[in-house]
Amino acid sequence: KQEVTQIPAALSVPEGENLVLNCSFTDSAIYNLQWFRQDPGKGLTSLLLIQSSQREQTSGRLNASLDKSSGRSTLYIAASQPGDSATYLCAGVKSGGGGNKLTFGTGTQLKVEL
Amino acid sequence: DGGITQSPKYLFRKEGQNVTLSCEQNLNHDAMYWYRQDPGQGLRLIYYSQIVNDFQKGDIAEGYSVSREKKESFPLTVTSAQKNPTAFYLCASMFDTGGYGYTFGSGTRLTVV
Repeated sequence: KQEVTQIPAALSVPEGENLVLNCSFTDSAIYNLQWFRQDPGKGLTSLLLIQSSQREQTSGRLNASLDKSSGRSTLYIAASQPGDSATYLCAGVKSGGGGNKLTFGTGTQLKVEL
Repeated sequence: DGGITQSPKYLFRKEGQNVTLSCEQNLNHDAMYWYRQDPGQGLRLIYYSQIVNDFQKGDIAEGYSVSREKKESFPLTVTSAQKNPTAFYLCASMFDTGGYGYTFGSGTRLTVV
């Protein structure tokens, strides 16, 4: 059972387009939500962290929102560029026996074309 | 600069061998984690540690072992009991409070030959 789901799995857009990536989660114990970027064969780069007391975070052309009541988060990318091409992962943070843990979605593979 | 260092970047293992992946952080983070990434399956948690000399099994701990003798270091051993070890392994760390997010290393790609 997938606790964190990302839609779409893949997305191809022309340069300059604004786009939205979706993340939904079923576990109400998730209290923070973190978005990452992963380039092929590389580790994860943190983009934005939304804490439970916040509804959104912004960094440059990126804006992420969190609605805990509906179990949804969105990552908005404005004026997309070819350099934005990567896999985007969302992950929910929850507490459990032994401490905090991240649960990941399977990612959205984004390609921005010239 | 603070960060997480994973080594080696590429590792090849023969059938029946144990291999150890290194993870070192200088962020003064309390907690450290090991994840495995397979195509189409996302990241799955292998082991994690909140404090020195203590660690917990994640979702797929069978065939793996860890130690946490120092705050900065959390090595992962892939034992011969792990039947399908070929994967991309990622190490992460964070402050125990959870409010500051996770930092990841650049990963180790393990291949069985």
